[in-house]
Amino acid sequence: DIQMTQSPSSLSASVGDRVTLTCQASKDIKKHLNWYQQISGKAPKLLIYDASNLEIGVPSRFSGSGSGTHFTLTISSLQPEDFATYFCQQYEGLPTFGGGTKVEIK
Amino acid sequence: VQLVQSGAEVKSPGSSVKVSCQASGGTFSSHPVSWVRQAPGGGLETLGRIISSINIVDYAQRFQGRVTLTVDQSATTAYMELSRLRFEDTAVYFCARERGGASVALASWGQGTRITVSS
Repeated sequence: DIQMTQSPSSLSASVGDRVTLTCQASKDIKKHLNWYQQISGKAPKLLIYDASNLEIGVPSRFSGSGSGTHFTLTISSLQPEDFATYFCQQYEGLPTFGGGTKVEIK
Repeated sequence: VQLVQSGAEVKSPGSSVKVSCQASGGTFSSHPVSWVRQAPGGGLETLGRIISSINIVDYAQRFQGRVTLTVDQSATTAYMELSRLRFEDTAVYFCARERGGASVALASWGQGTRITVSS
């Protein structure tokens, strides 16, 4: 199985901050990487697909980049509704998720 | 498309559970379905993925032999059955439909079904 490692596991930030989350794959997954947001144990929400494509309806302050083994999700200006846990998911093989990054209010 | 899952269940160790996922406003005929679970306080774990249009099912290795994914003939309801339940199978189970095309992105999710394994 392909292992996905997210860092940091948690971070504290303020409204308006720019935050960058990282996801590392254990092998080359090209651009087969998606990002999800989960709030309080509800169903995850797709934010970014294929590493850098913004899902319909997702605010443009979210952006994704990367390829191969290193990927980032950036929130350009953190909003109150963005405090959540973020997961990356690879689909080079059977889809697997990273452990998540929890974004908390500073 | 909206996905509505069956309700919470409490099961005994060694028994089986079958969770349904009904689609409205769309079908699963050209959109693969994944089943993902989340243990209390834990991360997301894929159990498997089914492409009903070409009858292909791919299971995560650790669940091989215990999980069965199916889709009904109308391609509007997906099912996940997990057998020989263990305490550590206690989790919320989600179904999710892919957005379509070449991407395996999970664009539509059910609300989750809480399965508790308890003696």
